[in-house]
Amino acid sequence: AQSVTQLGSHVSVSEGALVLLRCNYSSSVPPYLFWYVQYPNQGLQLLLKYTSAATLVKGINGFEAEFKKSETSFHLTKPSAHMSDAAEYFCAVSEGSGYSTLTFGKGTMLLVSP
Amino acid sequence: EPEVTQTPSHQVTQMGQEVILRCVPISNHLYFYWYRQILGQKVEFLVSFYNNEISEKSEIFDDQFSVERPDGSNFTLKIRSTKLEDSAMYFCASSEGSGTYNEQFFGPGTRLTVL
Repeated sequence: AQSVTQLGSHVSVSEGALVLLRCNYSSSVPPYLFWYVQYPNQGLQLLLKYTSAATLVKGINGFEAEFKKSETSFHLTKPSAHMSDAAEYFCAVSEGSGYSTLTFGKGTMLLVSP
Repeated sequence: EPEVTQTPSHQVTQMGQEVILRCVPISNHLYFYWYRQILGQKVEFLVSFYNNEISEKSEIFDDQFSVERPDGSNFTLKIRSTKLEDSAMYFCASSEGSGTYNEQFFGPGTRLTVL
């Protein structure tokens, strides 16, 4: 069975600082991995996804994530945080079944201070 | 930009009552999903729906739950007799196709509170 662990329910950074949100997964087959973002009162929006091509994946809004099989990790990073990045971030895994069932982590709230 | 919409944004109900949560998926999408998130816990898959039938469902989706696409635009989740533990945020999603390459677009969610 697949599962996702996100370390830290809240992460605080200063504007301009590096953002690092951690995600570790377990999967019995090669996984597909996703990061979603949720802004207040909005739905989950796909930031980026890994589907067994390049291990470094670039997404929207300057975010990127690196798939590391040896560490079973898919951490999300952004070199320089912006106030508008404040949101909740969810890591998810799919084992590529026909209907793409997503298994999510608990989410990490990113707080950005001026 | 097309988006998935959900109504109501917040629903309060008494234990044992029936509730219907409504979703309008993106118009050309063919696959529909419901997820839920109990406060402080993970977002969990409930059910997927295609061609007017359930494609896949989780253990959570028991006989108390049902889904329907009554009119070609709405996609509903019904809980027949709500329990306190059904209190959660319910997310609807839709995708153009199946498989991991087809992005699921999520609605803003309905917060269900069962008293």
